[in-house]
Amino acid sequence: AQSVTQPDIHITVSEGASLELRCNYSYGATPYLFWYVQSPGQGLQLLLKYFSGDTLVQGIKGFEAEFKRSQSSFNLRKPSVHWSDAAEYFCAVAERGGGNKLTFGTGTQLKVEL
Amino acid sequence: ETGVTQTPRHLVMGMTNKKSLKCEQHLGHNAMYWYKQSAKKPLELMFVYSLEERVENNSVPSRFSPECPNSSHLFLHLHTLQPEDSALYLCASSQATGAGYTFGSGTRLTVV
Repeated sequence: AQSVTQPDIHITVSEGASLELRCNYSYGATPYLFWYVQSPGQGLQLLLKYFSGDTLVQGIKGFEAEFKRSQSSFNLRKPSVHWSDAAEYFCAVAERGGGNKLTFGTGTQLKVEL
Repeated sequence: ETGVTQTPRHLVMGMTNKKSLKCEQHLGHNAMYWYKQSAKKPLELMFVYSLEERVENNSVPSRFSPECPNSSHLFLHLHTLQPEDSALYLCASSQATGAGYTFGSGTRLTVV
């Protein structure tokens, strides 16, 4: 069955430290890949997406993600975390040619210590 | 106004009430979605409308009834809900396949 896994439910980092959030997927072919962020009481905001081409994708707010086909992963990274990055982060995938249905991971809650 | 707008932001309703959630998108998208977000659960896709036709209903109970009168508006009609239906209901819209969604801020629903 198709699935998206975010193995870390909670992550705590210090402000200024680097960040990596993990995402693994299980699909028959390489899907479209997305990262969203959700602040408390808000909807989800798209950080970045991968369709094809360069496997290192740049997004908003200084985030980037790298697609690794061999590992079926799409990990989100940021070199230096800011206190305002504290939020919940969702990895999502969509099957190519499968319509617009996004399947979401369970999310990773990021806490930033000052 | 741009983006996806959901109203109301908060709703408290009794189990015998009837209410509706509204979603409006100003992005020219042709697909709209309802998602349910409960604590400690993955986002659940409830309904998908593409070109104003329902193309997906993920076995949602009949007490939830969607309506899509045009490509810019989406409603979720609620009646005789249960306390376990309390959640954040998110609307989203999209354009072409693979483009990703734009989400609204959600309606926080509490059923008492």
